[in-house]
Amino acid sequence: EAQVTQNPRYLITVTGKKLTVTCSQNMNHEYMSWYRQDPGLGLRQIYYSMNVEVTDKGDVPEGYKVSRKEKRNFPLILESPSPNQTSLYFCASSLGTADQPQHFGDGTRLSIL
Amino acid sequence: AQRVTQPEKLLSVFKGAPVELKCNYSYSGSPELFWYVQYSRQRLQLLLRHISRESIKGFTADLNKGETSFHLKKPFAQEEDSAMYYCAPRDGNYGGSQGNLIFGKGTKLSVKP
Repeated sequence: EAQVTQNPRYLITVTGKKLTVTCSQNMNHEYMSWYRQDPGLGLRQIYYSMNVEVTDKGDVPEGYKVSRKEKRNFPLILESPSPNQTSLYFCASSLGTADQPQHFGDGTRLSIL
Repeated sequence: AQRVTQPEKLLSVFKGAPVELKCNYSYSGSPELFWYVQYSRQRLQLLLRHISRESIKGFTADLNKGETSFHLKKPFAQEEDSAMYYCAPRDGNYGGSQGNLIFGKGTKLSVKP
């Protein structure tokens, strides 16, 4: 089944403790992206990747890192999480051309205490 | 700068009433245009895309290049249409950002019985 898989689905942790949210897709998509969703602010892009080893900042990259060593994986890294990063995070992937729709993961709800 | 605007945060209508969710975009090139929907506690999913010119669940969207708008319409709203709706242009220009997808802040549609 074609899908985008995020792990974990839920995480409660403390300020400063490094964490990684994994994202994996099995559709051989070139494009992958991370968004955070906050009430009243909609979906804001954190980072995106057009292909392996090609990443770029979105609208709200501060406090986050990503890597794209393999086509299927696009982990989101919070080196030193802070409470303002408490949010619902979505990973998405698609083929790389503009006419292709995104496929989304189920979301990861992070709570940073 | 590339921008997408959904002016209404919340739209509340009665069942059977017509619905129009507004979307205006400001892009330097010719973006591809999408509408995504997020039902309560679910992942985002594609509702429709301009290139397909299709009608999904009774919704249609007309691209008006002169007004740079891509409003979503449905003649008779149903209770199950209650959800968050996101307008999303996808950059069709060549270059580093080709294919990047930016979301509007979303409109919450509430259909009352």
